[in-house]
Amino acid sequence: EAQLEESGGELVQPGGSLRLSCVASGFSFRHYWMHWVRQAPGGGLEWVASIRQDSSEKFYVDSVQGRFSISRDNARNLLFLQLDSLKVEDTAIYYCVKERVGGHFDYWGRGTLVTVSS
Amino acid sequence: AIQMTQSPSSVSASVGDRVTITCRASQGVRNDVSWYQQKPGRAPSLLIHSASVTQTGVPSRFRGSGFGTDFSLTISDIQPEDFATYYCLQDFDYPLTFGQGTGVDLK
Repeated sequence: EAQLEESGGELVQPGGSLRLSCVASGFSFRHYWMHWVRQAPGGGLEWVASIRQDSSEKFYVDSVQGRFSISRDNARNLLFLQLDSLKVEDTAIYYCVKERVGGHFDYWGRGTLVTVSS
Repeated sequence: AIQMTQSPSSVSASVGDRVTITCRASQGVRNDVSWYQQKPGRAPSLLIHSASVTQTGVPSRFRGSGFGTDFSLTISDIQPEDFATYYCLQDFDYPLTFGQGTGVDLK
């Protein structure tokens, strides 16, 4: 069965940077689109970013465009999210998500908490 | 961006009731809608994809329907383990967008 495990979340000051990682196992990572989804405390789900299997296409929600960067290492089954110029409103649990063929999200990690505060 | 308007925002139900949650897309999304269940402190899990296809292992009391702009998730004979928050998602076009969520709690 597919498993996803995120890491890298921590407390950071506004304007700071973080790099989130997600290690994938139990499936052929290089064959699937991957995504990051976040959830602010007490809030709903928000899609953040997506990356194609070969990294040739990447998409971002408008609120993070130019500040966040998604990448992957298919040789090591790793997904990354670089978060720069962080804002208080970026505080959230960040989930690493696998896309099943057809567009929906069939496996989710447990999430990693990013807190942006001075 | 395609907006997904989900309603109601919350609903109270008794064990055995039938609960229906709806999502309306601001433009047509074919059948590119999925539904997720989230319990407190847990990651979401996939219930329904392609508007009406039940994910393997999900009980048959969960049923999805719809096409185009109007979608619904129905939970028949709701069980204690079904009290949770539910979200719809459109994956027809980027940016992908979720509904605001529906909290289902015990009356």
